[in-house]
Amino acid sequence: EPEVTQTPSHQVTQMGQEVILRCVPISNHLYFYWYRQILGQKVEFLVSFYNNEISEKSEIFDDQFSVERPDGSNFTLKIRSTKLEDSAMYFCASTVNTGELFFGEGSRLTVL
Amino acid sequence: RKEVEQDPGPFNVPEGATVAFNCTYSNSASQSFFWYRQDCRKEPKLLMSVYSSGNEDGRFTAQLNRASQYISLLIRDSKLSDSATYLCVVKKGLNNDMRFGAGTRLTVKP
Repeated sequence: EPEVTQTPSHQVTQMGQEVILRCVPISNHLYFYWYRQILGQKVEFLVSFYNNEISEKSEIFDDQFSVERPDGSNFTLKIRSTKLEDSAMYFCASTVNTGELFFGEGSRLTVL
Repeated sequence: RKEVEQDPGPFNVPEGATVAFNCTYSNSASQSFFWYRQDCRKEPKLLMSVYSSGNEDGRFTAQLNRASQYISLLIRDSKLSDSATYLCVVKKGLNNDMRFGAGTRLTVKP
């Protein structure tokens, strides 16, 4: 069964460093998303991506964040100059257009 | 008002109990509605879509009331394996953007 894959599963970084989280969506999907979930809190929308551009972004998704789909398969989230409060689980999701979001297993980011 | 608001929970019920979760959404133009399930430290997974006429999938029944902007999930004959956080999810519009409620945690006890 096709699945969304994310790497790394866990990354520990120092405050101020840049991190790149990678996602390979399901191959025939057209819409891609990043969500984050701080431990014990709700799943928060960060950004959606369609047709090689951002379709919507939340107030969380400020200049510190960027997304790319560099090669037609990978979908990356870059976090510049990480802060302690960026520590969270970051979920990538994709969908064709049916409404069901397929999530990856997440990348846990720990900022020290 | 939050975009998607759920019962805060947690719900602690015995096996076999019936439990209902409620959810309200603020955007009257919202088009599609879903319940997702999230196990501890796992990714959310689709439980069921919610249709205007209401729909049932085994022990699970979902209802939608567009006039009141209200969605519900009913779980009958609850099992230990139903213990999870249940997320109400609303699709905002044509661009497929989904918004999640904070989730309601359910614990089913023997």
